[in-house]
Amino acid sequence: QQQVKQSPQSLIVQKGGISIINCAYENTAFDYFPWYQQFPGKGPALLIAIRPDVSEKKEGRFTISFNKSAKQFSLHIMDSQPGDSATYFCAASSGFIGAGNMLTFGGGTRLMVKP
Amino acid sequence: KAGVTQTPRYLIKTRGQQVTLSCSPISGHRSVSWYQQTPGQGLQFLFEYFSETQRNKGNFPGRFSGRQFSNSRSEMNVSTLELGDSALYLCASSRGTSGGDGDEQYFGPGTRLTVT
Repeated sequence: QQQVKQSPQSLIVQKGGISIINCAYENTAFDYFPWYQQFPGKGPALLIAIRPDVSEKKEGRFTISFNKSAKQFSLHIMDSQPGDSATYFCAASSGFIGAGNMLTFGGGTRLMVKP
Repeated sequence: KAGVTQTPRYLIKTRGQQVTLSCSPISGHRSVSWYQQTPGQGLQFLFEYFSETQRNKGNFPGRFSGRQFSNSRSEMNVSTLELGDSALYLCASSRGTSGGDGDEQYFGPGTRLTVT
């Protein structure tokens, strides 16, 4: 019930291409869906997040698409750059009182952008 | 604005020992969460503190404990270390409230714990 499934595990994209990472969840109580970017030796950095009241959110080259009925959300990285090469994690949490801000993470996607 | 800081950054301990890790949240943030990151299990939630109270706990044995101080700084303790406790321990801070930016969590660089 708490699981978040992320795919693919790894992704290779040419510079300038579009990177797409998908996540699916089961728990309908989830109401906050962030994406994190992690470089080797660093902690995850919050990239962009969405709530179920909107179907899409865009920040620069990063877009989250959200499908509430399918319980799926995805990250699109437009014009992918070698500097985007990192591991990306989707996550979800519930705002219910007592949930304590617990983020449930997907398994991660290792993205490599080839120059 | 300073980010989340964690000390120490690296630790090597022996099986059976105990360890204490420290986290200082972003100024104004009252919630501190701890996560364990390993190649096999990924990122797993340990526990979360808000205003010195533990609000939620993940599925970890009682050897893992934590606390939060009145200035929101937090510590986590692992007793009787096992080889499987080797991991990157991450601390994240947030305002700790629902809605708006209240639940945006910002991670520190982590403490790399190696148990030999």
